Amino acid sequence: QQQVKQSPQSLIVQKGGISIINCAYENTAFDYFPWYQQFPGKGPALLIAIRPDVSEKKEGRFTISFNKSAKQFSLHIMDSQPGDSATYFCAASISNFGNEKLTFGTGTRLTIIP
Amino acid sequence: NAGVTQTPKFQVLKTGQSMTLQCAQDMNHNSMYWYRQDPGMGLRLIYYSASEGTTDKGEVPNGYNVSRLNKREFSLRLESAAPSQTSVYFCASSSRSVTEAFFGQGTRLTVV
Repeated sequence: QQQVKQSPQSLIVQKGGISIINCAYENTAFDYFPWYQQFPGKGPALLIAIRPDVSEKKEGRFTISFNKSAKQFSLHIMDSQPGDSATYFCAASISNFGNEKLTFGTGTRLTIIP
Repeated sequence: NAGVTQTPKFQVLKTGQSMTLQCAQDMNHNSMYWYRQDPGMGLRLIYYSASEGTTDKGEVPNGYNVSRLNKREFSLRLESAAPSQTSVYFCASSSRSVTEAFFGQGTRLTVV
């Protein structure tokens, strides 16, 4: 059972365009939603994260939009650049006094073309 | 800062062989994790350790064992490797609250 569903599986965007990746979750107990970025041959690295008390968080060109009622959250990359080409994973966890575990989506391979 | 270090980076095993994947972190983190990454499956949690001396099963623990040797080190053992265990394995660590999990570079394991 996939607790965090991610789409699309792959995405091609022109340089300067907006990249949008969507995730949906089932467990309403989730209260932390990070996005991880992974380059080939490297481990994932935290990109941006949000908690459900806010509907949007922006860091530079990266924005998370969060819809608690729909149990959905998305990553928007504005002015996409070739250096953004990577695999992106959404994730979710439940705060549990140091016993948290991240549940990941299946990943989106993003390619930015010139 | 080294962060999370995994050894080896690559390994080829024959079916039935055993091996231990090593992981060490130098960030004084309490929690450590082992994930496997397979195409189209994302990262799936194998085992985790919330603190030194404790370990718990994750989503896909069958065929694996772990040891939290001390606060720094968390090893993953395959007792009898199977082709289904061909994957990229990532170790990660985090502070008491998983506001940021730091990942190692991964171990690419092939079982033939």
